[in-house]
Amino acid sequence: AQSVSQHNHHVILSEAASLELGCNYSYGGTVNLFWYVQYPGQHLQLLLKYFSGDPLVKGIKGFEAEFIKSKFSFNLRKPSVQWSDTAEYFCAVNADSGYALNFGKGTSLLVTP
Amino acid sequence: KAGVTQTPRYLIKTRGQQVTLSCSPISGHRSVSWYQQTPGQGLQFLFEYFSETQRNKGNFPGRFSGRQFSNSRSEMNVSTLELGDSALYLCASGTATGVETQYFGPGTRLLVL
Repeated sequence: AQSVSQHNHHVILSEAASLELGCNYSYGGTVNLFWYVQYPGQHLQLLLKYFSGDPLVKGIKGFEAEFIKSKFSFNLRKPSVQWSDTAEYFCAVNADSGYALNFGKGTSLLVTP
Repeated sequence: KAGVTQTPRYLIKTRGQQVTLSCSPISGHRSVSWYQQTPGQGLQFLFEYFSETQRNKGNFPGRFSGRQFSNSRSEMNVSTLELGDSALYLCASGTATGVETQYFGPGTRLLVL
């Protein structure tokens, strides 16, 4: 069965620090990859997605992610975090263009002033 | 456009009861998916509907069921509630092809006592 692993469950950073959140998946077929964010008290929102093409994708609010097929990874990055980036971040995989998203357990990010 | 709406937002039930949750997708969206979010298991896919047909189902017991109406609104039902069913139930709507972009609602928080 496919699975999605997010290695960091809790991350604490100071403002202006760089961020990288790891995401690995186990599935050998065609995948669509997503990062979602859940700000405190708000809905899940799509940060960025990868379906095909350039493996470096840019999303909203300065986030980007790189798909490395050989490593089954889709890590999320931001060069300089802000206090407003405090949120829970979820990596998700959709396999073979099916109709379900398989989510990782999430990473809670706290950015301190 | 109005976003995905879910009703009720909060619900308290006792073990053995049943519950029905409602989801209204974004206008024009015909795909509706349901997810369960708990601290221990994270986000787990329940089922997905398109044009009143269930296209995919997650690994949940038969107590969890759903349906979709001709106006794309969807309901999910949980019968014989158990304490472990306490969770945030999220609905997501999308276009005809499913997961390309899913928009999540605020969720219904269910507490089973």
